[in-house]
Amino acid sequence: EVQLVESGGGLVKPGGSLRLSCAASGFTFSDYTMNWVRQAPGKGLEWVSSISSTGSYIYSADSVKGRFTISRDNAKNSLYLQMDSLRAEDTAVYYCARDAWADYWGQGTLVTVSS
Amino acid sequence: DIQMTQSPSSVSASVGDRVTITCRASQGITNYLAWFQQKPGKAPKSLIYAASSLQSGVPSKFSGSGSGTDFTLTISSLQPEDFATYYCQQYNSYPRTFGQGTKVEIK
Repeated sequence: EVQLVESGGGLVKPGGSLRLSCAASGFTFSDYTMNWVRQAPGKGLEWVSSISSTGSYIYSADSVKGRFTISRDNAKNSLYLQMDSLRAEDTAVYYCARDAWADYWGQGTLVTVSS
Repeated sequence: DIQMTQSPSSVSASVGDRVTITCRASQGITNYLAWFQQKPGKAPKSLIYAASSLQSGVPSKFSGSGSGTDFTLTISSLQPEDFATYYCQQYNSYPRTFGQGTKVEIK
């Protein structure tokens, strides 16, 4: 069974940093592109960043470029999102999702940026 | 960036109704289109990929069609568990973009 479990969310002050993790199981992690998608309270879905199976290709939304860094460790079956210079508008539930068409999603982890 | 526009934004329907949601891309995306269902407080769930391919385990009352710029998601015979918000997403190019969502409500 495919499972994606996010962790690392919490309350952080504006300008602060947070590192999200996504633990994958039930499939060959190193075969798949992985994604981060977020959802602000009461809002729609927003794609954040994607990383290719080997980590060679990385794409990020303009809204997070230069502040967020996606990475992966295929030996640990884990996906990461390093979030720096956080802003109030980054407050959202962050989901990891598998493959180009996001066929499986984790349960999400809430990031709240507030003073 | 490719803009995805869903219509309607919300629809009120009764159990047993047939519901169709439209998603339009601002430029051609061949068939690189996915549909998701999201219930309150839950993660999105994949329904359709490649515009018309049913995700494993998804009931056949859900169907997708279209190519190029115009796509539809149809739910035949709406059931209580189908009341949710539905999103389309293009994965033809980066940045990936989602439609704004269509909320299917009980009439």
